[in-house]
Amino acid sequence: EPEVTQTPSHQVTQMGQEVILRCVPISNHLYFYWYRQILGQKVEFLVSFYNNEISEKSEIFDDQFSVERPDGSNFTLKIRSTKLEDSAMYFCASTDRRGASTDTQYFGPGTRLTVL
Amino acid sequence: SQQGEEDPQALSIQEGENATMNCSYKTSINNLQWYRQNSGRGLVHLILIRSNEREKHSGRLRVTLDTSKKSSSLLITASRAADTASYFCATDGLPSSGDKLTFGTGTRLAVRP
Repeated sequence: EPEVTQTPSHQVTQMGQEVILRCVPISNHLYFYWYRQILGQKVEFLVSFYNNEISEKSEIFDDQFSVERPDGSNFTLKIRSTKLEDSAMYFCASTDRRGASTDTQYFGPGTRLTVL
Repeated sequence: SQQGEEDPQALSIQEGENATMNCSYKTSINNLQWYRQNSGRGLVHLILIRSNEREKHSGRLRVTLDTSKKSSSLLITASRAADTASYFCATDGLPSSGDKLTFGTGTRLAVRP
């Protein structure tokens, strides 16, 4: 069964460093998302992406964040200058959204980001 | 309460018993989805119910949706130790509101062998 994959599974970085989190969405999906979950808290929406541009972003997704689909398969989240409060699990999701049965968002296993 | 609040926050049952988790939300929705998360792991999609549906089944799972009360319930029948996880409801808004998911706080389910 197709699945969303994410790399790395765990990333440790120093405050102020740039990180790039990578995702490979399900191959025929068109809509892509990033969410994050701070330890012990709710999963929060960061950004949605369709047709090579951001569809929607949350207040969390400030100028330090950017997303890119550099090729036909990868979808990346970049944090330019990490802060301690960026420590969280980051989830990528994708969906087809072309029919009644395809609104399900499928999530990857997550990347645990630890900022020291 | 916030969009997507589950109750109870924690539930402990014996293997073989049924587990019922509830979710309430505040704004109109297009779909409501339930996800499972094992400790520190990814989100596994369980079931999606549309705003015009009232009940849906998938294996041992039964989901109901009451849009008049803005609430949903997830029933897991004949629970197993492997069902131990956190369960989240997630709603997406009307098409004009975008399709981002708003997650609830989750119910931590522990199934004792």
